[in-house]
Amino acid sequence: DQQVKQNSPSLSVQEGRISILNCDYTNSMFDYFLWYKKYPAEGPTFLISISSIKDKNEDGRFTVFLNKSAKHLSLHIVPSQPGDSAVYFCAASAGNNDMRFGAGTRLTVKP
Amino acid sequence: ETGVTQTPRHLVMGMTNKKSLKCEQHLGHNAMYWYKQSAKKPLELMFVYSLEERVENNSVPSRFSPECPNSSHLFLHLHTLQPEDSALYLCASSQVRRTHQPQHFGDGTRLSIL
Repeated sequence: DQQVKQNSPSLSVQEGRISILNCDYTNSMFDYFLWYKKYPAEGPTFLISISSIKDKNEDGRFTVFLNKSAKHLSLHIVPSQPGDSAVYFCAASAGNNDMRFGAGTRLTVKP
Repeated sequence: ETGVTQTPRHLVMGMTNKKSLKCEQHLGHNAMYWYKQSAKKPLELMFVYSLEERVENNSVPSRFSPECPNSSHLFLHLHTLQPEDSALYLCASSQVRRTHQPQHFGDGTRLSIL
């Protein structure tokens, strides 16, 4: 079963505008959520995370919002830059040994 | 320089072969992980490993066997693989063995089973 879902396989935005990537989960035991970015032929790199006790975490141009009642989180990138074009993975963890990833959303930022 | 190096980058093997994937981290981390990414599927956590403890994952077939001789090195020994095992295998490490800690990934080994 897929406990973490990213329903949009791709997203295209204009440079300077906001990018919003969405993620839904089903397991209420998840206590941390992370976003990773992946360029072609490279491994994923950590971007930002949020604990389930928070509803927002911000780091520069990146903000993650968590809505526990809806079991939904989103990553906002503003302003979007062409270098942000990559595949973004949402991940959720429960305890020390269970980590689930979404299938990823390919973001394209057009100049 | 990602700090996590995986070799080889590409591997083609027959179903009866035995091969090993290698991962090395230069970050001083205490935990290492193996992931599998099949085409069109999310990353799947296969093993969580630290020098002190290996976490068994019952959903991983026994034809995959991890080995962690020290905190800097991680191996994945492969034998009698099936065509569905063709995938990208990623290694990662983190400061401590907590999956919510940010993990540093290698660039992966692309494995093809003939």
